[in-house]
Amino acid sequence: AQRVTQPEKLLSVFKGAPVELKCNYSYSGSPELFWYVQYSRQRLQLLLRHISRESIKGFTADLNKGETSFHLKKPFAQEEDSAMYYCALCDFGNEKLTFGTGTRLTIIP
Amino acid sequence: DTGVSQNPRHKITKRGQNVTFRCDPISEHNRLYWYRQTLGQGPEFLTYFQNEAQLEKSRLLSDRFSAERPKGSFSTLEIQRTEQGDSAMYLCASSARHLATGANVLTFGAGSRLTVL
Repeated sequence: AQRVTQPEKLLSVFKGAPVELKCNYSYSGSPELFWYVQYSRQRLQLLLRHISRESIKGFTADLNKGETSFHLKKPFAQEEDSAMYYCALCDFGNEKLTFGTGTRLTIIP
Repeated sequence: DTGVSQNPRHKITKRGQNVTFRCDPISEHNRLYWYRQTLGQGPEFLTYFQNEAQLEKSRLLSDRFSAERPKGSFSTLEIQRTEQGDSAMYLCASSARHLATGANVLTFGAGSRLTVL
């Protein structure tokens, strides 16, 4: 069974400091991994996906198959980064997206 | 608005009543998903459709829950004989595999919040 673990429920970081949101997964095949974000009073939306190797709003995430991790990083936090962040894994076989429990990131001015 | 639309946005009902939620996906998306989210938890998968076929149902979806997507467009999620434990945000999402990258990116609706008294 696929599982996604986000060990931190809450994370507070000062503005300008580096951010790292942790995500570990359990999956027997080749995973497709994503980070979704939910800003206050907005819908859940895609932030980035590992398949694209992209940087969105300064965030990057590298898939480490050896450590089964997909941590989200940003070198310099901004106040507008405050939000709920969810790591998610898609099963290629059945297209089901499994979410972690989320991390609430608060950027301290 | 070309996004995913969900109705009603809020529903308050008494225990034992039936409720129905509707989801209108992005028109060109062939996949439609239902998730449930409670306070402090991530979205939990309930079921998903490819066109009109319901391909997977979570064991969270008891026999009081039924979802349909009769013409492969909009979908309904009905909860019969509601219980207080059904109180949650019910999220709908739709997707289609990206032709170039093959990625399956879900677009979510705003959700339907159910409160069972």
